[in-house]
Amino acid sequence: QSALTQPPSASGSPGQSVTISCTGSSSDIGGYNFVSWYQQYPGKAPKLMISEVDRRPSGVPDRFSGSKSGNTASLTVSGLQAEDEADYYCFSYAGSDNWVFGGGTRLTVL
Amino acid sequence: EVQLVESGGGLVQPGGSLRLSCAASGFMFRNSWMHWVRQAPGKGLVWVSHINSDGSTTTYADSVKGRFTISRDNAKSTVFLQMNSLKAEDTGVYYCTRDRSYASDMWGQGTMVTVSS
Repeated sequence: QSALTQPPSASGSPGQSVTISCTGSSSDIGGYNFVSWYQQYPGKAPKLMISEVDRRPSGVPDRFSGSKSGNTASLTVSGLQAEDEADYYCFSYAGSDNWVFGGGTRLTVL
Repeated sequence: EVQLVESGGGLVQPGGSLRLSCAASGFMFRNSWMHWVRQAPGKGLVWVSHINSDGSTTTYADSVKGRFTISRDNAKSTVFLQMNSLKAEDTGVYYCTRDRSYASDMWGQGTMVTVSS
């Protein structure tokens, strides 16, 4: 049950695009299409932004998109806005009713 | 209103026990898988435990296996986390979440657990 690997930080200017990676193994990300992404503001509960690799729940702006290639999943935020500044976590099913989070990435809007 | 409300957190000494509760409302709880997730102060999210809809299947992170027990009461729409032999590293905010397609689509506000002497 090793945590998924995310960069500690990412940044971009308003209007730009930024991509956050999440690297696991064939036992988690690579083995299942059950990767999800969460946005968390300080002192608040996380919010689901992407499920099943690339599905956007109702109400999530289409500026947020997800993808996966092999053992690495990615979250792309296009047209960055100040309100996108937050912590982002990936989460993957790892088989046998086990799950694992990434370490989290702090996104800064410059 | 569709919501999850955790309770039961507090200050406990190392080696002590605590039982967290999560009351669900506004959705078909008896059909839902549930999780507990925790977050140490200033740290990231960590998956703790999962329970299926009828409580027949439970799983745990290695760090809590043998010490924590997840259970549920579908008649009361509540999921529990019994935490025994608590350690300082168990300190953090504990969230219960609802599972939808292997993602946590609903989160409670969290309950703080502090393990300290």
